[in-house]
Amino acid sequence: DIQMTQSPSSLSASVGDRVTITCRASQSISGYLNWYQQKLGKAPRFLIYSASNLQSGVPSRFSGSGSGTDFTLTISSLQPEDFATYYCQQSYSYPRTFGQGTKVEIK
Amino acid sequence: EEQLVESGGGMVRPGGSLRLSCAASGLSVEDSAMSWVRQAPGKGLEWISGINWNGVSTGYADFVKGRFTISRDIAKNSLYLQMNSLRAEDTALYYCARRILTIYYGDAFDIWGQGTMVTVSS
Repeated sequence: DIQMTQSPSSLSASVGDRVTITCRASQSISGYLNWYQQKLGKAPRFLIYSASNLQSGVPSRFSGSGSGTDFTLTISSLQPEDFATYYCQQSYSYPRTFGQGTKVEIK
Repeated sequence: EEQLVESGGGMVRPGGSLRLSCAASGLSVEDSAMSWVRQAPGKGLEWISGINWNGVSTGYADFVKGRFTISRDIAKNSLYLQMNSLRAEDTALYYCARRILTIYYGDAFDIWGQGTMVTVSS
């Protein structure tokens, strides 16, 4: 199975901050990487596919990059509604696996 | 509006069984690949099982293989997960999700239900 490791596990940031979350795969997954946002008590929301492509309706302050084993999710200017947990997920092979999540909290 | 609504969760004793349902509206299960993903309390997301567009090809995570069975009913536009031999570690919120092919690379889960809670306890 491909292991996905996110860092940090949590971070504190202020509104307006630039936030970067890292996701590392245990083997190369090319660009087969997705990102999701999950707010407390809610289902995950699909944000980014194929490492760097925004799903329809996702604000442009979100961006993704990377290829191979190392990926990043960046929020250019954190908004109040962005405080949530973020998960990366690989679609390179089965079983599909997720990172452990990065919780973005209010500073 | 495309929507998935899970049901069937509850409390069950170890070794027991449950059948989860996921009713789709605004989308066709027949035309979709679907999956079940679970989340233990306070933990991350874990893919359990998927069924392909053809409704024939299925896949399972090793930790549920032989115990869980995914299926669908096109007439009812619904997805199911039959869970047998349940263990305490199966306690989780179970989501159904639609899997779509994405441009360039692979696929993703674009629509999720709200989840149904399964508690396995004696």
